[in-house]
Amino acid sequence: EIVLTQSPGTLSLSPGERATLSCRASQSVSTSSLAWYQHKPGQAPRLLIYGASSRATDIPDRFSGSGSGTDFTLTINRLEPEDFAVYYCQQYGSSPPVTFGQGTRLEIK
Amino acid sequence: QVHLVQSGAEVEKPGASVKLSCKASGFTFSNYPMHWVRQAPGQRLEWMGWINAATGNTKYSQKFQGRVTITRDTSASIAYLELTTLRSEDTAVYYCARGPIIGGSVFYWFDPWGQGTLVTVST
Repeated sequence: EIVLTQSPGTLSLSPGERATLSCRASQSVSTSSLAWYQHKPGQAPRLLIYGASSRATDIPDRFSGSGSGTDFTLTINRLEPEDFAVYYCQQYGSSPPVTFGQGTRLEIK
Repeated sequence: QVHLVQSGAEVEKPGASVKLSCKASGFTFSNYPMHWVRQAPGQRLEWMGWINAATGNTKYSQKFQGRVTITRDTSASIAYLELTTLRSEDTAVYYCARGPIIGGSVFYWFDPWGQGTLVTVST
């Protein structure tokens, strides 16, 4: 089973700044089969990125994904107040089972 | 508008079973796989299984094999998750989510998700 480790655990930034979130896999994720989700308390998780770098429908272009192999990054440019949430990466290259990272909390500084 | 609406919170005793529902709207239900994912307090999201809404074929995570059953009612566009022999470790928020089929292949990213159903297992 591929284990995903996200860093940092918590990221404190101000609106307007850039956020860089990391997701590292314990072994190579085939065909860049990695997704990113945003999750706010009491809400449904929201798909942001799939295929490591493809934005999901209606996702603003300030969200971008990159990486391959074992190292992946979610970048959020020009943070908006609504971007503060928990972010999860998920690999589906060796599915099933799919596995998720433990999450990065993006909080307002 | 694509939407998944889940049933309400449940409180169950250890050893009991629970059946959750997930009603889909805004898309042709039988054209998509439907997945179930859960998150226990302080734990990672955990994929449980999926159902081919057209055929009813299912695939389950090995962890839940024998305790989980996913079914669907295509006439009502509802997917169900039943989990038996509940234990305290099954206390979690359970999510349904739609998966894509591209070129006839099932992919395991999820969009959209339901709002979640809290299941509490307690004496």
